[in-house]
Amino acid sequence: EDKVVQSPLSLVVHEGDTVTLNCSYEVTNFRSLLWYKQEKKAPTFLFMLTSSGIEKKSGRLSSILDKKELSSILNITATQTGDSAIYLCAVEVQGAQKLVFGQGTRLTINP
Amino acid sequence: NAGVMQNPRHLVRRRGQEARLRCSPMKGHSHVYWYRQLPEEGLKFMVYLQKENIIDESGMPKERFSAEFPKEGPSILRIQQVVRGDSAAYFCASSLDIRGNTIYFGEGSWLTVV
Repeated sequence: EDKVVQSPLSLVVHEGDTVTLNCSYEVTNFRSLLWYKQEKKAPTFLFMLTSSGIEKKSGRLSSILDKKELSSILNITATQTGDSAIYLCAVEVQGAQKLVFGQGTRLTINP
Repeated sequence: NAGVMQNPRHLVRRRGQEARLRCSPMKGHSHVYWYRQLPEEGLKFMVYLQKENIIDESGMPKERFSAEFPKEGPSILRIQQVVRGDSAAYFCASSLDIRGNTIYFGEGSWLTVV
């Protein structure tokens, strides 16, 4: 069965800290890995990763995929209270139009 | 260009009643997906539909749940004889094509069964 596991499940840090969120996967036919941010409503798309070792960056957020280790990390530098959210990792399975999601990491940034 | 529209946003049903959740995809999108999110869990795929066709319903419970996406009108997720365990957030998503990064999610319908 295809599986995506995120860690930690919950993280509380102070504003200005840097955080690293982890995602590992076991799927039969990997196509891509996606990160979403969810703030009590619709998950919003952050990144899609298909190639190993190439960092994607958007402002203070960055992400990289390691296909050898079947994992990805999401980094957030100089965190702000507005970064508080649940961060979801999902894997797109080749040949099946569906995303397999991890359980999410609940990130809380305290002022 | 409106996003994916779901209604109702919140729905309360007594055990044994029926719940109907509606989803209007983004304009021009013909692929619709339903996901369920139980408390403190990630989203779980339920069903993938194109107009008038169910393409993949491998994540749908075998009983009480059904989905449709008619030629005209929104996609409907129907849950008959609801039980407490059906309480969850139900997210609809739509896409223009089948690449992951073009999937747009609606804001969800929160079902509470009392």
